[in-house]
Amino acid sequence: GESVGLHLPTLSVQEGDNSIINCAYSNSASDYFIWYKQESGKGPQFIIDIRSNMDKRQGQRVTVLLNKTVKHLSLQIAATQPGDSAVYFCAERSSGGSYIPTFGRGTSLIVHP
Amino acid sequence: GAVVSQHPSWVICKSGTSVKIECRSLDFQATTMFWYRQFPKQSLMLMATSNEGSKATYEQGVEKDKFLINHASLTLSTLTVTSAHPEDSSFYICSASISGSTGELFFGEGSRLTVL
Repeated sequence: GESVGLHLPTLSVQEGDNSIINCAYSNSASDYFIWYKQESGKGPQFIIDIRSNMDKRQGQRVTVLLNKTVKHLSLQIAATQPGDSAVYFCAERSSGGSYIPTFGRGTSLIVHP
Repeated sequence: GAVVSQHPSWVICKSGTSVKIECRSLDFQATTMFWYRQFPKQSLMLMATSNEGSKATYEQGVEKDKFLINHASLTLSTLTVTSAHPEDSSFYICSASISGSTGELFFGEGSRLTVL
């Protein structure tokens, strides 16, 4: 069936480096994508979103890239800080579906000082 | 942003007892709330969609008699785990939407249930 998945379960980086977290999706009808950050023992926090009519969107230290051709989504974090250590989930929504986001598997980002 | 509060943040109970978890939207009215379950190192799994004033819609494989959901007001939804067993131990997270099922979701801090 349709699914949203992540390539890497764990990503370790040094403080100050840039981080790239990847996500693949298979539902071609998905038209809205969201990245969430989940710190240990807490609920997900919205980071950034992107609609399917865009291929790039920037926020504060974060950039989301969308490649609809290969159904790939990435989250780039610039100058990664220890406070960025968390699990990152991508989620997709389809306007033709229930609008409830489907979460991917998650990537654990570990930032070493 | 909008704030969603869950209570309790953690609870330990004996097998066979029932546990109620509350989800409140503090500064907005939520016509729709969602309940998720998350096992360690896994993703969020949608359990049910709760609409104010009507019965919840459960995802396939989720026992509605086991996980009772009540959304009696626009700011409160409750999840009751009935006759809890150790396999029900999990992290339960609620989220709420301002604009029904189409709006941005705001998540609670989660409730960790441990059943002994």
